[in-house]
Amino acid sequence: YELTQPPSVSVSPGQTARITCSADVLPKQYAYWYQQKTGQAPVLVIYKDTERSSGIPERFSGSSSGTTVTLTISGVQAEDEADYYCQSSDSSGVFRVFGGGTKLTVL
Amino acid sequence: QVQLVESGGTVVQPGGSLRLSCGASGFTFSGSVMHWVRQAPGKGLEWVAVISSDGTQKDYADSVKGRVIISRDNSKTTLYVQLNSLRVEDTAVYYCARESIDCSGGDCYSAGLDYWGQGTLVTVSS
Repeated sequence: YELTQPPSVSVSPGQTARITCSADVLPKQYAYWYQQKTGQAPVLVIYKDTERSSGIPERFSGSSSGTTVTLTISGVQAEDEADYYCQSSDSSGVFRVFGGGTKLTVL
Repeated sequence: QVQLVESGGTVVQPGGSLRLSCGASGFTFSGSVMHWVRQAPGKGLEWVAVISSDGTQKDYADSVKGRVIISRDNSKTTLYVQLNSLRVEDTAVYYCARESIDCSGGDCYSAGLDYWGQGTLVTVSS
């Protein structure tokens, strides 16, 4: 199965960025969000749909509604420019899958 | 300080084999579920394989099943992945990652891949 993300999102500094991730399995399985800056390894941002990972700024939040989960970045800063990936698992919970990624551009 | 350090990436011909290693320190490796995730040049993340903390349970993505073997040596705090019958499309940076498990509420759930290595590049080319 697939997790569907928009390829790109653009916002100005200080605005709110919302990145969505959709799949039929999401009402049954938790979603996770990772931030990857150019040339770096991914960093866990959100786990279990809404929990913020240790050390992640409060401007990052996660939400879930039906088959869609959303990563929201409030008051976007230039340093938030990165690729963002959602991740979940299949209905068995065994096989993991990543979304195609969303490139966040801070104008 | 948590560290995951991958090694073994190199250039290999199609049909060849390669073993990657991931040395772990700074956390209880023997109690941790571990993963391999790869990223082709300019592309997104792709989950490859997972292994249980004791090494008895292993699962693979369909794209690599039958060609890849994940293993671990808890005495050496090292994770491995054996890549066989390599194809051009296996060219990627291979990351190892630790999965955090949250059992605080009675039931246990994944709390995500919280530690990642810096990756090692495998290039499959003739």
